Amino acid sequence: AQTVTQSQPEMSVQEAETVTLSCTYDTSESNYYLFWYKQPPSRQMILVIRQEAYKQQNATENRFSVNFQKAAKSFSLKISDSQLGDTAMYFCAFSESGYALNFGKGTSLLVTP
Amino acid sequence: DVKVTQSSRYLVKRTGEKVFLECVQDMDHENMFWYRQDPGLGLRLIYFSYDVKMKEKGDIPEGYSVSREKKERFSLILESASTNQTSMYLCASSLLSGRRGNEQFFGPGTRLTVL
Repeated sequence: AQTVTQSQPEMSVQEAETVTLSCTYDTSESNYYLFWYKQPPSRQMILVIRQEAYKQQNATENRFSVNFQKAAKSFSLKISDSQLGDTAMYFCAFSESGYALNFGKGTSLLVTP
Repeated sequence: DVKVTQSSRYLVKRTGEKVFLECVQDMDHENMFWYRQDPGLGLRLIYFSYDVKMKEKGDIPEGYSVSREKKERFSLILESASTNQTSMYLCASSLLSGRRGNEQFFGPGTRLTVL
């Protein structure tokens, strides 16, 4: 069974600082997808960034980037220049070739002034 | 932009009532999903559907059923609501498996309280 582990239930960072959220996963497959989703206090879940396992290059979306270590099965999210609007629950998710995503339990990130 | 809507943001029901949660997406997505979200447990898949009238059980289907009569609409049914079904329910949709890496688009959620 697929498993996704987010080892940090809560984190805090000051505005303009950089924070890294960790995620590890377990799979025996070689081709799969990894995602980070953000759920702000308003509750609408949105996609932050996506990584395809066969791509060596780490994905980047503006201030958000990932550190994808395939051999270690690690997929961390780095948020640079943190903003108050980054306060949210962040979920790491994993998918092989099927329909469903398997989510981690989430990391609650608080950005403070 | 993909839009996924859910019929209610907040719902209060009594134990034993039959409850319907409705979800509609406007982007002609083949797949639709129902998740339950609880603090400390993340998102857990209840049911999903990959086509009209097709459904598959997820990780926690007990006490729930689903209906998909039209491609854009996916309903979650609690046949006899119980207090342990008090939760946030999230609907999602995605394109056919394998396209765009199964990225899912979420609705705003329904906070259900069963008294």
